Amino acid sequence: GENVEQHPSTLSVQEGDSAVIKCTYSDSASNYFPWYKQELGKGPQLIIDIRSNVGEKKDQRIAVTLNKTAKHFSLHITETQPEDSAVYFCAARPNDMRFGAGTRLTVKP
Amino acid sequence: GAGVSQSPSNKVTEKGKDVELRCDPISGHTALYWYRQSLGQGLEFLIYFQGNSAPDKSGLPSDRFSAERTGGSVSTLTIQRTQQEDSAVYLCASSPRGRDQPQHFGDGTRLSIL
Repeated sequence: GENVEQHPSTLSVQEGDSAVIKCTYSDSASNYFPWYKQELGKGPQLIIDIRSNVGEKKDQRIAVTLNKTAKHFSLHITETQPEDSAVYFCAARPNDMRFGAGTRLTVKP
Repeated sequence: GAGVSQSPSNKVTEKGKDVELRCDPISGHTALYWYRQSLGQGLEFLIYFQGNSAPDKSGLPSDRFSAERTGGSVSTLTIQRTQQEDSAVYLCASSPRGRDQPQHFGDGTRLSIL
């Protein structure tokens, strides 16, 4: 089955800096890679996703890159703001969705 | 609201009791998923419904766990003879048609077994 590893587990940045979270996956059949943001006491919310026929996707301050050869994908957040502080999960899907263990991002004002 | 609704939001029960957790998906979504999230951990897949049938139950951790979905809408996750290790947040998600589409999550039920 699919195995998704996510790094780092915690990340602290200064407001305005960039944050990068990386994930690797094992199943070459995986073709869909979403990223979720989870705030305390809430369910995960989809923030961006990418499919395997695309190498990069951007939505305002958030971008995701995918390297199918190396089986890794990354979330990039630019110009971070305190409200970006949350736990971020990556996921990969060949059949059922497999989630990474999460990254707790703290943006210091 | 138009999102996924889960109830109760919190449930505290004694070890050995049965519990039922409810999920109301987004109207019209045919696919429904249950996940378990232990404290500070990622999401563990439990079961996937397409309509009223469950083609993938591979994540259910034991035969104490069961789920059903009726009318292609509401789903209930039942845990029998609860154990302390069942304490977790149980999340439900739905997607419009199938597993190749974005999943929309509810806020979960926080289950605590005393």
